[in-house]
Amino acid sequence: DADVTQTPRNRITKTGKRIMLECSQTKGHDRMYWYRQDPGLGLRLIYYSFDVKDINKGEISDGYSVSRQAQAKFSLSLESAIPNQTALYFCATSDRTSGGLDTQYFGPGTRLTVL
Amino acid sequence: AQSVTQLGSHVSVSEGALVLLRCNYSSSVPPYLFWYVQYPNQGLQLLLKYTSAATLVKGINGFEAEFKKSETSFHLTKPSAHMSDAAEYFCAVSEIGGSYKLIFGSGTRLLVRP
Repeated sequence: DADVTQTPRNRITKTGKRIMLECSQTKGHDRMYWYRQDPGLGLRLIYYSFDVKDINKGEISDGYSVSRQAQAKFSLSLESAIPNQTALYFCATSDRTSGGLDTQYFGPGTRLTVL
Repeated sequence: AQSVTQLGSHVSVSEGALVLLRCNYSSSVPPYLFWYVQYPNQGLQLLLKYTSAATLVKGINGFEAEFKKSETSFHLTKPSAHMSDAAEYFCAVSEIGGSYKLIFGSGTRLLVRP
């Protein structure tokens, strides 16, 4: 079984709808991240969480919210989806190491299309 | 702010040829540097990372990268390309002792011709 799973893998929705993307991990890592990937832009960080009570905004958090329900679960919500949120979304996890040496482990991604 | 530049959104090589993917970073203090690979329809996986222990870093699948402080570069190479190397490659940087966030480059898609 995969260590980092994302559901759904694909989703098509309409403008204005609320959408939740879910991420679960079995690696026992404290840190979890949400990224979006757009062609030609690489990956950009939306939110990250270092433990259940520590949630931080990334560089592109506007229009998104997150919930860290447990150490193993980190959900991303789009409160009112808009077409420019069409992208590939990745969840990642990492273990606590010193000073930025974390290796991040990525889920398979969720392809979201907002019509 | 940290940034990463990957020159060339697409690189095409023949099977058996040298692979060279370029990455330059901007930082006043040498950061930690990473190369990730993304195969079609998959998430990213770590190829290698620079942690200041050695300037030449060896990774998986025959890839290696050399950290050059004077050039602020961390280029990825492989002596002989294989068809299975076709993928998108991302360079990323993390500040030493910083917030542990990764800043990714825009990616380079490697095409391998038979």
